[in-house]
Amino acid sequence: DADVTQTPRNRITKTGKRIMLECSQTKGHDRMYWYRQDPGLGLRLIYYSFDVKDINKGEISDGYSVSRQAQAKFSLSLESAIPNQTALYFCATSDNTGDQPQHFGDGTRLSIL
Amino acid sequence: GNSVTQMEGPVTLSEEAFLTINCTYTATGYPSLFWYVQYPGEGLQLLLKATKADDKGSNKGFEATYRKETTSFHLEKGSVQVSDSAVYFCALSGLGGFKTIFGAGTRLFVKA
Repeated sequence: DADVTQTPRNRITKTGKRIMLECSQTKGHDRMYWYRQDPGLGLRLIYYSFDVKDINKGEISDGYSVSRQAQAKFSLSLESAIPNQTALYFCATSDNTGDQPQHFGDGTRLSIL
Repeated sequence: GNSVTQMEGPVTLSEEAFLTINCTYTATGYPSLFWYVQYPGEGLQLLLKATKADDKGSNKGFEATYRKETTSFHLEKGSVQVSDSAVYFCALSGLGGFKTIFGAGTRLFVKA
């Protein structure tokens, strides 16, 4: 089984709909992250969480919200989806030290019509 | 601010060719440096890392040396294979915080 699991893997929806992307991990890491990947722009950080009681905005948090339900679960929501939120979304985890690598899920491809 | 710049792609090579993907960084401090690889349909995975100046990270035939004097961490491989076709990301972290800063990625195509 994958260490970081994202569901769904693909989603097509309409403008204005509420969408939730889920992430669960078996790494035992406290830190979890949500990124968005767009062609030519690399990865941009949406939200991050250092533990269950800690949620922080990243560089592009507008239009998104998150919930850290447990150490192992971190969900991303789009309250009212718009077409420019069409992208590939990644969840990642890391250990508590600042120089450790991140561990990524396989991504959710989201298309908003 | 802190940033990572890597060469634009795509890079197209024939099998067994030599690969270099350039990466330079700007950092206030001494970060750890990483190369991640993303195969089609998958998330990023760590390829190699280096945590201090002059360290060489290596894995699967890929190498990169942490050069503080030129603020660079170029990725090299002596003989690429078709299976190396992927997107490669240079990244830095460990600057007294949590964030990992990623480059824009470089797509590599290797032809048989």
